[in-house]
Amino acid sequence: QSALTQPASVSGSPGQSITISCSGTTSDVGGYNSVSWYQQHPGKAPKLMIYDVSNRPSGVSDRFSGSKSGNTASLTISGLQVEDEADYYCNSFSGSTYVFGTGTKVTVL
Amino acid sequence: EVQLVQSGTEVKKPGESLKISCKVSGSSFTDYWIGWVRQIAGKGLEWMGITHVGHSDTKYSPSFQGQVSISADKSISTAYLQWSSLRASDTAIFYCLLGVHGTYYFDHWGQGTLVTVSS
Repeated sequence: QSALTQPASVSGSPGQSITISCSGTTSDVGGYNSVSWYQQHPGKAPKLMIYDVSNRPSGVSDRFSGSKSGNTASLTISGLQVEDEADYYCNSFSGSTYVFGTGTKVTVL
Repeated sequence: EVQLVQSGTEVKKPGESLKISCKVSGSSFTDYWIGWVRQIAGKGLEWMGITHVGHSDTKYSPSFQGQVSISADKSISTAYLQWSSLRASDTAIFYCLLGVHGTYYFDHWGQGTLVTVSS
């Protein structure tokens, strides 16, 4: 079972929008509407940002949005802010277990 | 407020055994799963496996099947991750996470347990 593929890094200036992709297969991303996204700041535990492809938990800014097309899911951060600088991981259910993406480092220029 | 509190930092030698824990408090959930995730220093998150706290159904990622053992004790709302013979390559931070049965996401995480295996 291979990790989902994410770009290693994405950057943007404050106020801009960025999108992080998460590519899988029909056995994971494409087969289930069970993609979630996690934000991790250095030295901290990950935090849930998006679940079930496009839902935001309460307390998460509406600047974060998720979508999916075929075997690829995406996380978009609009109105980029300094505090959004972190690592982001997608996760998908894959039948009997789960799989994480390779992770993307978001840098705010 | 739901909290997952993990056991403390461990320093072990290769070949030794280890069992780390994750205690759930403040939860009204009666039907939930506890998963475990590995993060090697400077690397990404790796899914290890998950166990149902109650009926002990446990599922492992193929990469970790046979390498670790995951279990839970419903009576004390605690899950465990266990090794019978540690290797240096097991050095990492391990996170536990809670998922309500019927959902496929994890909005409660433990603080992480650092395990260092060195001779």
